[in-house]
Amino acid sequence: EAGVTQSPTHLIKTRGQQATLRCSPISGHTSVYWYQQALGLGLQFLLWYDEGEERNRGNFPPRFSGRQFPNYSSELNVNALELEDSALYLCASSQGTVSNQPQHFGDGTRLSIL
Amino acid sequence: DQQVKQNSPSLSVQEGRISILNCDYTNSMFDYFLWYKKYPAEGPTFLISISSIKDKNEDGRFTVFLNKSAKHLSLHIVPSQPGDSAVYFCAASEWIGGTSYGKLTFGQGTILTVHP
Repeated sequence: EAGVTQSPTHLIKTRGQQATLRCSPISGHTSVYWYQQALGLGLQFLLWYDEGEERNRGNFPPRFSGRQFPNYSSELNVNALELEDSALYLCASSQGTVSNQPQHFGDGTRLSIL
Repeated sequence: DQQVKQNSPSLSVQEGRISILNCDYTNSMFDYFLWYKKYPAEGPTFLISISSIKDKNEDGRFTVFLNKSAKHLSLHIVPSQPGDSAVYFCAASEWIGGTSYGKLTFGQGTILTVHP
């Protein structure tokens, strides 16, 4: 069974640009989650999508947005990039809103802002 | 406001001995707890979880204990192996009235080193 896949592995942008990160969940999973792991900080929850809708959002500015497609894959978009957005962005998936189901993570996209 | 804390940044143990990783939380609404292992350049790998209605869950060499009154959980690895050397994160989620908030709240991680 294929795990959560993320692309690209690395992404280099400059300040003010936009970045798009992609995630494919495990087959059968309807929920996709996005987390940010900045240097020196722990994993911080960004967004949760389930069945195509945004279900919850972490404490991040509106320039962090995303969507979930009918095949349950997801995109994370970061607009007006700032130096502090340099981080590892992790995507996870789970079996929707079924209780007590673990989230399974991909290997992440390393976003570097120059 | 750190709701999930792993107070030990690192732990070193000898191969074959027990590794005990600890985690404390402050949010009484957390009711599902998980442990993840992370190697460099990889995403976190799910290890084991426990629901708040239980106080122990076991899976092979891994056992998680939950003490709700103390808001404390621990992960025991017996016997420890060199391949267990990694960063270990505890995480927690809230379910209120049958509704998930989706997010996992993570601790800062503990670096486990198992020496041959």
